[in-house]
Amino acid sequence: SQELEQSPQSLIVQEGKNLTINCTSSKTLYGLYWYKQKYGEGLIFLMMLQKGGEEKSHEKITAKLDEKKQQSSLHITASQPSHAGIYLCGATTGGSNYKLTFGKGTLLTVNP
Amino acid sequence: SAVISQKPSRDICQRGTSLTIQCQVDSQVTMMFWYRQQPGQSLTLIATANQGSEATYESGFVIDKFPISRPNLTFSTLTVSNMSPEDSSIYLCSVSRSLSHEQYFGPGTRLTVT
Repeated sequence: SQELEQSPQSLIVQEGKNLTINCTSSKTLYGLYWYKQKYGEGLIFLMMLQKGGEEKSHEKITAKLDEKKQQSSLHITASQPSHAGIYLCGATTGGSNYKLTFGKGTLLTVNP
Repeated sequence: SAVISQKPSRDICQRGTSLTIQCQVDSQVTMMFWYRQQPGQSLTLIATANQGSEATYESGFVIDKFPISRPNLTFSTLTVSNMSPEDSSIYLCSVSRSLSHEQYFGPGTRLTVT
């Protein structure tokens, strides 16, 4: 079965600093999803990447999928306290497999 | 995107009882899913809710424990039957317009079984 490894498990940064979260798969991915979750709440969709080398940005968050489609990174520029939460990567392996498998998440704390 | 609501948002239930969770979407969607997130864990897919037919369950999940209904393209229910404390989790529904589209999640239902 597919496994997604996220790193780091947790991250504490000072407001204004940049940070990167990584998500690595043992298999080639069809779709790679990034979500943000506030403690005990639902998931907020951030971005979906499907093409090797694809990069998407929304506000201060940029996500990339490598050419081999096995690794993705999420980069936050000039972090703010509102960026705090748990970041989850999820992935499908394509074809008729719509099942989203998730990494264990990265807990981000942004200190003002 | 899609606007998804879940009811109830949280509940505390006695062991041995059942709880039905509702998921409502503001527009028709092709696919609806139910996930479980146990305390401190990531999400695990329970089943795909199929309109007009039986749900498709993932390994480790059975219909007798988690019966699912999907009467139309905007609504689904998940029942957690004969609950035990191990069923204490956040239950989330998600929707997608197709396999190549984004999957959006509802706000979740936090269930505590005592």
